[in-house]
Amino acid sequence: DTEVTQTPKHLVMGMTNKKSLKCEQHMGHRAMYWYKQKAKKPPELMFVYSYEKLSINESVPSRFSPECPNSSLLNLHLHALQPEDSALYLCASSQVGTRFDEQYFGPGTRLTVT
Amino acid sequence: QKEVEQDPGPLSVPEGAIVSLNCTYSNSAFQYFMWYRQYSRKGPELLMYTYSSGNKEDGRFTAQVDKSSKYISLFIRDSQPSDSATYLCAMSLIKAAGNKLTFGGGTRVLVKP
Repeated sequence: DTEVTQTPKHLVMGMTNKKSLKCEQHMGHRAMYWYKQKAKKPPELMFVYSYEKLSINESVPSRFSPECPNSSLLNLHLHALQPEDSALYLCASSQVGTRFDEQYFGPGTRLTVT
Repeated sequence: QKEVEQDPGPLSVPEGAIVSLNCTYSNSAFQYFMWYRQYSRKGPELLMYTYSSGNKEDGRFTAQVDKSSKYISLFIRDSQPSDSATYLCAMSLIKAAGNKLTFGGGTRVLVKP
């Protein structure tokens, strides 16, 4: 099973709402990632978790709050977002410690902030 | 100057032609070089990766890395309409835990039947 699943597929939320994105993998990977991708742009790294601990935060605004409750799950909590936060949010996972850690991406959650 | 430069295209080719894609980069510390394919509204899918300079072939795909010129290429032989997608190059440093990828901007490819 080389699948990373993400829910929901689509999300529309107002600027005062609180919502969460969910990511799950069962490949035994110990690194998980959140990326943001705007239309016709490459993915931009937001957060990296390694062994369930936050290892990289790319200076993301605090209205995005990641959480890694266990080695298979990764959440992204959203609060007080802005319309410019509308994008495709991608989750990825990889092994840790091998020479090359292939990242497997999920299909993404398309977020629209109104 | 961006760390990784990639022509956005679109690159339009007839079915059966060779698709040639490339990226240039500025950070000589990059060690791993990857090509991802992304269909519209889908997540990226890893096609190939290479370590250091040289060529690597996998089926219809050939990846080349020239570290002295800071230049990487992907060739797709016998292109099919199903190859129509955006192709992203990506690079990374050697890391012990987690792995930050630096992506190029992506090249949109259209293979016409």
